[in-house]
Amino acid sequence: KAGVTQTPRYLIKTRGQQVTLSCSPISGHRSVSWYQQTPGQGLQFLFEYFSETQRNKGNFPGRFSGRQFSNSRSEMNVSTLELGDSALYLCASSEEGPYYGYTFGSGTRLTVV
Amino acid sequence: QKEVEQNSGPLSVPEGAIASLNCTYSDRGSQSFFWYRQYSGKSPELIMSIYSNGDKEDGRFTAQLNKASQYVSLLIRDSQPSDSATYLCAVNGGAQKLVFGQGTRLTINP
Repeated sequence: KAGVTQTPRYLIKTRGQQVTLSCSPISGHRSVSWYQQTPGQGLQFLFEYFSETQRNKGNFPGRFSGRQFSNSRSEMNVSTLELGDSALYLCASSEEGPYYGYTFGSGTRLTVV
Repeated sequence: QKEVEQNSGPLSVPEGAIASLNCTYSDRGSQSFFWYRQYSGKSPELIMSIYSNGDKEDGRFTAQLNKASQYVSLLIRDSQPSDSATYLCAVNGGAQKLVFGQGTRLTINP
């Protein structure tokens, strides 16, 4: 089985721009979650999607948004980028239910300059 | 109070010894508990999961859960230099939202 695929791997953007990150989950996994990882804050939950519906959202400003498509692929968007948005963005997929661990993609390293 | 707390370390253990990593959580309704390993520059990798009180063993790894004390631990026996990494404790409260601790950085000294 192919793993979780995230694209692109690296991005450099300028303050004020917007960015879209993509995630393809493991085949058959319908739950997709997004996390932001920074050295100071660790892994912070952004949101979780299931069957094209956002079921959970973390404490991030509205500049952070996402969506999921009918094939379970997901995208997240960050608008009006700030320097503090520089981070590793991780996508994870899982089977439905609390007893399944998440499988992470390799992440997208976003640098805002 | 943070939802999931871990000692950030660094924790230094000699090769061949037992490494003990600890985690506490605040939500008594939490249903499942996971340990992830993250090497520098890589994404987290699931190494253990546990759902019931007691111990669960998988090779050199043992996960321990005590729901009454809201405590999860990971033991690594016969520690190897390749075990040097950051270990993340994660807790699922049943809402399909995995909450992570800050991670414990473990170094195994040859």
